[in-house]
This record gives sequence, C-alpha cells and structure tokens, in this order.
Amino acid sequence: DSGVTQTPKHLITATGQRVTLRCSPRSGDLSVYWYQQSLDQGLQFLIHYYNGEERAKGNILERFSAQQFPDLHSELNLSSLELGDSALYFCASSVRTGRGTGELFFGEGSRLTVL
Amino acid sequence: LAKTTQPISMDSYEGQEVNITCSHNNIATNDYITWYQQFPSQGPRFIIQGYKTKVTNEVASLFIPADRKSSTLSLPRVSLSDTAVYYCLVGGRNTDKLIFGTGTRLQVFP
Repeated sequence: DSGVTQTPKHLITATGQRVTLRCSPRSGDLSVYWYQQSLDQGLQFLIHYYNGEERAKGNILERFSAQQFPDLHSELNLSSLELGDSALYFCASSVRTGRGTGELFFGEGSRLTVL
Repeated sequence: LAKTTQPISMDSYEGQEVNITCSHNNIATNDYITWYQQFPSQGPRFIIQGYKTKVTNEVASLFIPADRKSSTLSLPRVSLSDTAVYYCLVGGRNTDKLIFGTGTRLQVFP
C-alpha cells in the first residue's frame, strides 16, 4: 500500500461525457502528479501540483483540467470524452524534500473506459 | 529536461543477473537518477535512486559512471516475479516535469 488513494478504481462512461478522478496523496506529501497510461503504452505526464499551485503541465488536452485543494487532495477533470481517452490514470505524490526528485508514490490508478 | 533512452525489451532466465542501461546525455548537475518497476495494471514502484558511483539496496544496484551520462540498473538473480517494465527517471529537487521514458520490458523465463 503506497498510501496514495485514487477513486474510482474503475469507470465506464460514454463519449461526450465528463468525469472526475480523485487522488488523496500520502499524508504530508505536498506534490501531486497525474499520469495517463494507455494500453501497453508508457506513462504520459499530464500535470504537477505543489501545495495547491500548478507547477508544470505536460501534453494535457484542453478538455482536461486539474486542481489541488487546500487539504492537498487533487482532482482530474476530463470532459467531452472521446474513445481515445480510455486509459489508466495514475496519481503520484512526493514529499519533494532533499536533493533528488524524491520518491514518487503511485496510487493504484483509475481505469477509465469510454464507450 | 533530460531525455532518457532505454532498450525497449530484454529477455532473461531465472537466476541470471540482468543489467538495464539508461542513457541520459543531457543530465543536469543537480539531477538524480531513479528507477521504477511497473507490473501490469499497477502503479510504478520505486526501486533505487542515485547521483553518482554505485548505490545498492536489498533488491538492486545502480551503477553511474563518472560522466553520469548513463546509468545501469542491476538486478541480481532474477526470478519470474521480476517480469515487469522498468523505467529510469532523471530529475532534481526542482524538476517539476517528471517525464518517464518508454521503459524496458523485462521478460524472465523459467
């Protein structure tokens, strides 16, 4: 158990719909990262938040948005869903202290299926 | 941002030592090298992190040459349960975009 909680674990929805994925980081971790992993593909960096502030964006579609709340949990909103958005969405948290990147702790992921 | 290059796949047999090399030619002075392991449908899991020379823990060793432009993850005596994808990640404390490379798919055979 990494200590990172993601909900829901599975989600099936239709094209054109909107969903919200939730991530609760490990206690004390200020950084939250979101990654998308399509079937048999690598991890695509979406966005990074640190203590409520957006720090970096990757190739995140305009239909996607995210935020980190004062209690440090984060939500990833996906709208106008397309078939190609079907993927595993991972959240990772990190303390971001020390000299390195800090160990990333990943949640179990939210598997989104768009029909 | 340091771009990483790894072999797409590797095969091994149980009991053998496996070495996976990652190239990161434009690594910055403050960057560390971290390796992660990922099983299907699970989130990646931290294996080891280092800055230079050699780091060893209970599951792996990480070798980093003096120029730090590459690194090698060494898994001693692999078992079937080591079949997974291995990613190297390069970044420092102030790296906000932590971008994973394509990873190396290791298949261990009996």
